[in-house]
Amino acid sequence: KAGVTQTPRYLIKTRGQQVTLSCSPISGHRSVSWYQQTPGQGLQFLFEYFSETQRNKGNFPGRFSGRQFSNSRSEMNVSTLELGDSALYLCASSFLGQGSGANVLTFGAGSRLTVL
Amino acid sequence: SQQGEEDPQALSIQEGENATMNCSYKTSINNLQWYRQNSGRGLVHLILIRSNEREKHSGRLRVTLDTSKKSSSLLITASRAADTASYFCATAGTFGNEKLTFGTGTRLTIIP
Repeated sequence: KAGVTQTPRYLIKTRGQQVTLSCSPISGHRSVSWYQQTPGQGLQFLFEYFSETQRNKGNFPGRFSGRQFSNSRSEMNVSTLELGDSALYLCASSFLGQGSGANVLTFGAGSRLTVL
Repeated sequence: SQQGEEDPQALSIQEGENATMNCSYKTSINNLQWYRQNSGRGLVHLILIRSNEREKHSGRLRVTLDTSKKSSSLLITASRAADTASYFCATAGTFGNEKLTFGTGTRLTIIP
């Protein structure tokens, strides 16, 4: 079956702009989690959505937001981009979601955002 | 902040040798997982070990878990060039802290 699909794969924005990233989970998976990966901070948890509800949120400013649709597809948005937002944004899906005790994540290839 | 810290940060070995990576964590866990990442792409799940397990095998992978020391190790036997990647441990906490928190990673290079 198809894996986790993230679009776009690469994008370049300038400071102050906003960006929307998309994630299509594995069919049947109801949980989508987002992570930010940078060389300095490693993998940082952004948020998790399960059945259209945000279930968990990491320690990021309000400029980072997300949502999940009824078909489990998810989007994340970053407003008023800063240079430090340059990162690889990874989406991961799972059937039962984080907190289930069997929370193996299947990751997409990521969206690499460069902020100039 | 990172829950897990991997050691070493980077490791280079000859093809065919064994590679061992270690992970230390800070709080109680439900399970610990290891993932592999090739060149800035997505992570691939390798193995999960629960807090009540001490050792687990999967093919050429062997994972141990010592909850008293809050540490885990990943052993890759008979390494291959295709094993070149970054390896991350990830911990799932307990009771309201279940989200997977990733360590800093070990960059493994297999020299042909």
